[in-house]
Amino acid sequence: QLQLQESGPGLVKPSETLSLTCSVSGGSISSSSYYWGWIRQPPGKGLEWIGNIYYSGSTYYNPSLKSRVTISVDTSKNQFSLKLSSVTAADTAVYYCTEGLAARQDYWGQGTLVTVSS
Amino acid sequence: QSVLTQPPSASGTPGQRVTISCSGSSSNIASNTVNWYQQLPGTAPKLLIYRNNQRPSGVPDQFSGSKSGTSASLAISGLQSEDEADYYCATWDDSLNGVVFGGGTKLTVL
Repeated sequence: QLQLQESGPGLVKPSETLSLTCSVSGGSISSSSYYWGWIRQPPGKGLEWIGNIYYSGSTYYNPSLKSRVTISVDTSKNQFSLKLSSVTAADTAVYYCTEGLAARQDYWGQGTLVTVSS
Repeated sequence: QSVLTQPPSASGTPGQRVTISCSGSSSNIASNTVNWYQQLPGTAPKLLIYRNNQRPSGVPDQFSGSKSGTSASLAISGLQSEDEADYYCATWDDSLNGVVFGGGTKLTVL
């Protein structure tokens, strides 16, 4: 059973880069069976897909965020990460790391709240 | 404004059957499979239905999904108080080239 855990700063200043890491246990991040991803949820609002990455490095990003997003994999640490640049208050949300591809996400982390504020 | 349209709320009494709709278009629901998620209060979403009508292991058969044309539906039979949650539909959109979610439906068990 896969388990995912997000970590990273809970507060980021406007115009800076949001960086989060997802630690994976119960499976190898370099397995060809898995895709890794990020989804976010602004407080009191719905879900927004950010993107996915395959262990080989192939990435799929939300077109509305693509210019600011980078998802990468660190196989040595069994982790993957999210970087979102030039953040604004609109990027304040609970960020979930997930396992799955596109609209089907089978496993979710518990989520971490990131607030963008000076 | 979400690409997929769900009613913001739904309700039912214990034991009742309720249906939640998800309306899309030819570029999303009509040409791709639909997934449903359940989000209990204060928790992460959980995959409830995938590929329109398939249940992951551990999801009880009181939950069922269907799709027809540009719409999909989630049915919950034998409603229980623990089914009170937010429900989201999701699919791929060929025009946007990305995943789209419905705005979510808050289910209340009266």
